Amino acid sequence: AQKITQTQPGMFVQEKEAVTLDCTYDTSDQSYGLFWYKQPSSGEMIFLIYQGSYDEQNATEGRYSLNFQKARKSANLVISASQLGDSAMYFCAMRELNTGFQKLVFGTGTRLLVSP
Amino acid sequence: AAGVIQSPRHLIKEKRETATLKCYPIPRHDTVYWYQQGPGQDPQFLISFYEKMQSDKGSIPDRFSAQQFSDYHSELNMSSLELGDSALYFCASSRPGGGPGQETQYFGPGTRLLVL
Repeated sequence: AQKITQTQPGMFVQEKEAVTLDCTYDTSDQSYGLFWYKQPSSGEMIFLIYQGSYDEQNATEGRYSLNFQKARKSANLVISASQLGDSAMYFCAMRELNTGFQKLVFGTGTRLLVSP
Repeated sequence: AAGVIQSPRHLIKEKRETATLKCYPIPRHDTVYWYQQGPGQDPQFLISFYEKMQSDKGSIPDRFSAQQFSDYHSELNMSSLELGDSALYFCASSRPGGGPGQETQYFGPGTRLLVL
């Protein structure tokens, strides 16, 4: 069964600094997708970045990048130049692509607090 | 860009009542997903539909049912509501397959259900 582990319940970072949010995963499927979502206190779930298991390069989207280490089964999110608006809950999620299942399985999340 | 629309945004019901949540996917997206997020928890997959057929099923109670209509909108029907059904219910949608990013699920703002 697929599983996502986020070991950091909370993280603090100062404005303008970079921060890494950890995510490890477990799957027996060779083809899978990894996702990061941001959930502000208002509740919506905002898609940030996607990494496919066969992608050779790490994904990047603006200030977000994904440090994908396939052998270690980790997919850490790096946020550069943190902003106050980055304060939110961040979820790592995975979808297995060969099983026919469509569900996303989420980790327990990391709450990021950006201080001035 | 158009996003996933969910209605209502907030709903208060009594125990044993019924509720219907509606979801309108992003235009030209053919797959919808429903997730339930309890307080302080990660989202849990309930059910998904592709081209109006149920495509995957998660931990959806028997008291809940869902369907996707010809215009691709979806409804989640919840009967005999219990206190434990109080949660944030998300609908997500994804576009037809082919190419990177096809697997990305875009979430709506959620319906916050409170059962008293």
